[in-house]
Amino acid sequence: QVQLVQSGAEVKKPGSPVKVSCKASGGTFNKYAMSWLRQAPGQGLEWLGGAIPIFGTVNYAPKFQGRLTITTDESTNTVFMELNSLRFEDTAIYYCARVRRSGDYENWIFGLWGPGTLVTVSS
Amino acid sequence: DIVMTQSPDSLAVSLGERATINCKSSQSLLSRSNSKNYLAWYQHKPGQPPRLLIYWASTRESGVPDRFSGSGSGTDFTLTIASLQAEDVAAYYCQQYYSTPPYTFGQGTKLEIK
Repeated sequence: QVQLVQSGAEVKKPGSPVKVSCKASGGTFNKYAMSWLRQAPGQGLEWLGGAIPIFGTVNYAPKFQGRLTITTDESTNTVFMELNSLRFEDTAIYYCARVRRSGDYENWIFGLWGPGTLVTVSS
Repeated sequence: DIVMTQSPDSLAVSLGERATINCKSSQSLLSRSNSKNYLAWYQHKPGQPPRLLIYWASTRESGVPDRFSGSGSGTDFTLTIASLQAEDVAAYYCQQYYSTPPYTFGQGTKLEIK
């Protein structure tokens, strides 16, 4: 059974970048659309961006355009999220998520989630 | 961006009673081409990742108990828990996946036991 395994918690200073990884363990992801989402303390869920590894395409929420980079490594079934110029308000749990159906690149229904990675921005 | 608004923000229901959560979108999520509503519901418990409950507004994900149901069309949607169980205490979110990104969520509804 496929699981999404994320990298560990990070503590970063304002202005620095953070890179979080998400590895599909027990399966592949190249035929699934993958996304990164986050939940800040006391806030709701927010979609940051997504990638379709088989096509090499990436989309970002306008709010994060220019500051967020999503990359994939098909050789290791891993998707990465790098967020630059961190601010205090970027403190959040960051989740990777896979759409529920293989080959469905239009319906971004998040059927499988990683456990989350806490990113804390602190001076 | 499509704005999703849930009501209420929080809800307390007695065990065994019905819980109803509403979600309204700023534009219709109903596709004319396939007559589907591009709306999903998630359950989110503290310390766990979110869990997909419902998609296409009313299709229950595999393994989700049948006390959970989704309804609605266009801009107005409802998640109903027919008989609240203790394990249903969580936050619930609606999400639209209608068009081009960003895919947006409601602000969440916190469900507690009365």
